[in-house]
Amino acid sequence: LAKTTQPISMDSYEGQEVNITCSHNNIATNDYITWYQQFPSQGPRFIIQGYKTKVTNEVASLFIPADRKSSTLSLPRVSLSDTAVYYCLGDTTGNMLTFGGGTRLMVKP
Amino acid sequence: DSGVTQTPKHLITATGQRVTLRCSPRSGDLSVYWYQQSLDQGLQFLIQYYNGEERAKGNILERFSAQQFPDLHSELNLSSLELGDSALYFCASSDSGTANYGYTFGSGTRLTVV
Repeated sequence: LAKTTQPISMDSYEGQEVNITCSHNNIATNDYITWYQQFPSQGPRFIIQGYKTKVTNEVASLFIPADRKSSTLSLPRVSLSDTAVYYCLGDTTGNMLTFGGGTRLMVKP
Repeated sequence: DSGVTQTPKHLITATGQRVTLRCSPRSGDLSVYWYQQSLDQGLQFLIQYYNGEERAKGNILERFSAQQFPDLHSELNLSSLELGDSALYFCASSDSGTANYGYTFGSGTRLTVV
């Protein structure tokens, strides 16, 4: 399993760009990097997924360097509603997704 | 609305009792996954069903069981409940048997054992 390491928590202010970095040193060749967002008492929600380089959607961008040993989730201009736990997953070729502790992002006014 | 429906949303029951949690996957999804989330354990994978058959098993207790019916809805049965079983139980679904493209979670059932 590709174990991932990410900060336990981060603070930011409204309007700022937030970058959350995840380390996945032993990611397998076939694995994608996937990020989920979870609000309190709700199920995790898929945000973005990538394999290499950069992926962008309406919610976030995901940067993956050539060695794929890490990835950075970028949230542009965060608002209070972006306060949540963000999970980085690096093992997606198996039957199930394995969630780590995630990063608790607190956006302040 | 994610398309994955879980009922009930809340459940309060006494120790020693048995409860059944229900999940209806997104239309067209064949796989159903069950997760348990407690404060001290995070999101723990319990079990996966794919088109009616058990496909993968995680750290699911022997007191817990699940099944997926021909209409693809799934039920998670929890018996001989203990205080420590209090948690959020999430169901997720995907259209394939693997997790490679992510899956969609329901809003969960909050179980409180008193």
